[in-house]
Parts: sequence; structure tokens; C-alpha cells
Amino acid sequence: DVKVTQSSRYLVKRTGEKVFLECVQDMDHENMFWYRQDPGLGLRLIYFSYDVKMKEKGDIPEGYSVSREKKERFSLILESASTNQTSMYLCATTAGPYNEQFFGPGTRLTVL
Amino acid sequence: AQSVTQPDIHITVSEGASLELRCNYSYGATPYLFWYVQSPGQGLQLLLKYFSGDTLVQGIKGFEAEFKRSQSSFNLRKPSVHWSDAAEYFCASGYFGNEKLTFGTGTRLTIIP
Repeated sequence: DVKVTQSSRYLVKRTGEKVFLECVQDMDHENMFWYRQDPGLGLRLIYFSYDVKMKEKGDIPEGYSVSREKKERFSLILESASTNQTSMYLCATTAGPYNEQFFGPGTRLTVL
Repeated sequence: AQSVTQPDIHITVSEGASLELRCNYSYGATPYLFWYVQSPGQGLQLLLKYFSGDTLVQGIKGFEAEFKRSQSSFNLRKPSVHWSDAAEYFCASGYFGNEKLTFGTGTRLTIIP
């Protein structure tokens, strides 16, 4: 079974802090994704990476950056956290050419 | 651009009753279609998927979905719901050669005794 783990289930940060969310997958998948999930808005793609050091902006990249130095690890970075970034963050990875995505358990981030 | 519409934000169903969750997609060619379920505090789990072939697909936990090209729909069904089916359900679409998926806004399912 594919396993996708996220570094924290719950995180509380202060406005202006730099925040790192980490995602690790154990199945050697090429593609990894970061989404944020908000009530009534569903899942919105922040960034996706299709290879080591390769990335592509999603629908809402503003205020976020990403890093993929190793194939199994994809980090989401909030350079200066703001209260409007309080949300659930989900990482996913693609199994193959048919786009089925496997999700981690999510990180609920609160920015005070 | 692709879009996925789930017109029902919240549905309440009695335990043992049948269920249908609606999903409409917008894309010119045949999309890949998925239904995911999210239990409270959890990530998303794949229920079923459609790529091609038989338009009625079976998934886990007794769910099925039917692809109807003429209606641009991919509705999720279950003949008899259980209390453990209470969750949020997401429909998603993609297409060959594009690793990204487009998700609907979700339908929250409540089960009453």
C-alpha cells in the first residue's frame, strides 16, 4: 500500500512566522501535490511537483513556496504566515499515468 | 478549463436508506473520474474510479457510480447506507496526460438513525 505521511496533524503558528509542512511518500512516485482544503471551497491546488527540483504553480500559489530536493519528500513553505492561511493542508502523490492520487492525513494549521 | 460541480452541499439520509450523490463535470473529451471519501479529521480515500469501458463502476464499501456522457454526470450510489458512511464526499476529474485533478466542492453526508 502507498503510504503518504505528513509531518504534523495539528500546528499552531503566529502571524509572520515561517512555516514548513513536510510530506513523505514511500512508493517512488514522480508527482506530488499540495492542496489546501476550506469549507465550501473543496480542495484547491497550491503547487505540484513532477520531479525532483521541478515544480509548477497550482491555482492558489500566492504566499506559498515549495521544495523538492529528494523524490520522496515534498515541502510546503509559508514564508510569512498570515491568518488567512489557517486551513487544512493535504499532500498527495500520483500512482501512475491514470491520475489516481493518494492522500496523506492532512495538517490542520492555525495561524494566530 | 475543467470544472466539477457537486450541487448538494449537505445531504441527510436515514440509516438503511438508499443514497445518490450528484457530480457533473465539464470537459470536452472523456475525462477520468473519481470519487473520494473523507472521514472527519482524515485524508481522502479513493472509493472508485472511471477511465473507460463499462460505465457502471464498483468501488469499495458497497459504493457504485455510473458515467453518463450525455448528462456529463458521474453520480455515486449506495443501496443501503450505514452510520459509518457519514463523511464528506468529493468528486474529481482529470484527463490523460495531465497529472492534476480538479475537485468538486464536496458533499457532506449525515446519517440519522
